[in-house]
Amino acid sequence: SQKIEQNSEALNIQEGKTATLTCNYTNYSPAYLQWYRQDPGRGPVFLLLIRENEKEKRKERLKVTFDTTLKQSLFHITASQPADSATYLCALRNTGGFKTIFGAGTRLFVKA
Amino acid sequence: EPEVTQTPSHQVTQMGQEVILRCVPISNHLYFYWYRQILGQKVEFLVSFYNNEISEKSEIFDDQFSVERPDGSNFTLKIRSTKLEDSAMYFCASSPQGNEAFFGQGTRLTVV
Repeated sequence: SQKIEQNSEALNIQEGKTATLTCNYTNYSPAYLQWYRQDPGRGPVFLLLIRENEKEKRKERLKVTFDTTLKQSLFHITASQPADSATYLCALRNTGGFKTIFGAGTRLFVKA
Repeated sequence: EPEVTQTPSHQVTQMGQEVILRCVPISNHLYFYWYRQILGQKVEFLVSFYNNEISEKSEIFDDQFSVERPDGSNFTLKIRSTKLEDSAMYFCASSPQGNEAFFGQGTRLTVV
């Protein structure tokens, strides 16, 4: 069956450090992999998209890698700040499909 | 900055009643979606809409649900004969090209 797995345990890090979140998937052939941020009681906010033929994407303090052989994406936030504390969602869209499927998310806490 | 607008922010309804959730997507976007998130669970895909018709739907999206784009700006989700388990946050999203999605702030539906 198709699965998207993100660390269910919260990630606690110190301000200024790099946070690294993992997304693993099985039985998907994603055309795109996306990362979103979600704050409590609010809608997901799009952060970055990486295509199947791309290895890495960067935007300001954010970096995403995509390994279609390992079926894994890593999401990095460098120089993390308390304001980065949120749940981060990995999402996939299959080739030829219209629907984007979300993982359960990983909660990140950045301590000052 | 353009945003997806959803109304109402909170809807309470009696079991068995029909509700209509409303969304105004970002203008010039071509793809529209409804997702739901039961409290504490992941964001679940319901339906995608493109070119004035449903392009893909999940197993959740059965005959109880329907979507409409009655004019050039609104996008609605109708839920008939609501059940207690329909209580959730419902998110509308739109996308310019079917890749990254821009979400509204959601409608919290409570069925009593």
